[in-house]
Amino acid sequence: GAGVSQSPSNKVTEKGKDVELRCDPISGHTALYWYRQSLGQGLEFLIYFQGNSAPDKSGLPSDRFSAERTGGSVSTLTIQRTQQEDSAVYLCASSPFVSGANTEAFFGQGTRLTVV
Amino acid sequence: GDSVTQMEGPVTLSEEAFLTINCTYTATGYPSLFWYVQYPGEGLQLLLKATKADDKGSNKGFEATYRKETTSFHLEKGSVQVSDSAVYFCALTLFTSGTYKYIFGTGTRLKVLA
Repeated sequence: GAGVSQSPSNKVTEKGKDVELRCDPISGHTALYWYRQSLGQGLEFLIYFQGNSAPDKSGLPSDRFSAERTGGSVSTLTIQRTQQEDSAVYLCASSPFVSGANTEAFFGQGTRLTVV
Repeated sequence: GDSVTQMEGPVTLSEEAFLTINCTYTATGYPSLFWYVQYPGEGLQLLLKATKADDKGSNKGFEATYRKETTSFHLEKGSVQVSDSAVYFCALTLFTSGTYKYIFGTGTRLKVLA
């Protein structure tokens, strides 16, 4: 597609269950980012991929959170044993990686996760 | 550490009023600066950017100037419209140690009344 696609758009899950959130970046974009947007809060950085590797995982809030990227394309963010504080909108963005340049990040519509 | 601070909202203005949303940053290197906008029910999209000191980014009547001396990138518009109601995010990017970082502010909600 033309833009960054995230699925599902909405997810309601019970506390303690695992969830997987998917991101399809723009074709050819080598950089991929995950952010979390909580109600009334800004964008919290989670993880950055360059190709399939993740040089910066510093934002993952706990070991319940993990992410992978395969084929330099699709990325999956997995949250294990979900807690109510995980409820938020999870945003994915991609950008073409140009060393030393400053390129725009293109965002998906997000996945709204509600843990009940 | 690297960070972005922007004025808290919400900001409520009447149509045709002048808008300023303040943004300041702290960065160890030479960042590029961005404003993103999130309209209701939509994803974030780039509004404007500036990549070096004294650059001015502009789009849709909005402007922001990269001020290195004051580490600021304030967003301005001379005459706002109801359709400008949205959340505005200031952001910086740094390329450091082989890692590309995007750092966002907390966002400022703008509401424009007819």
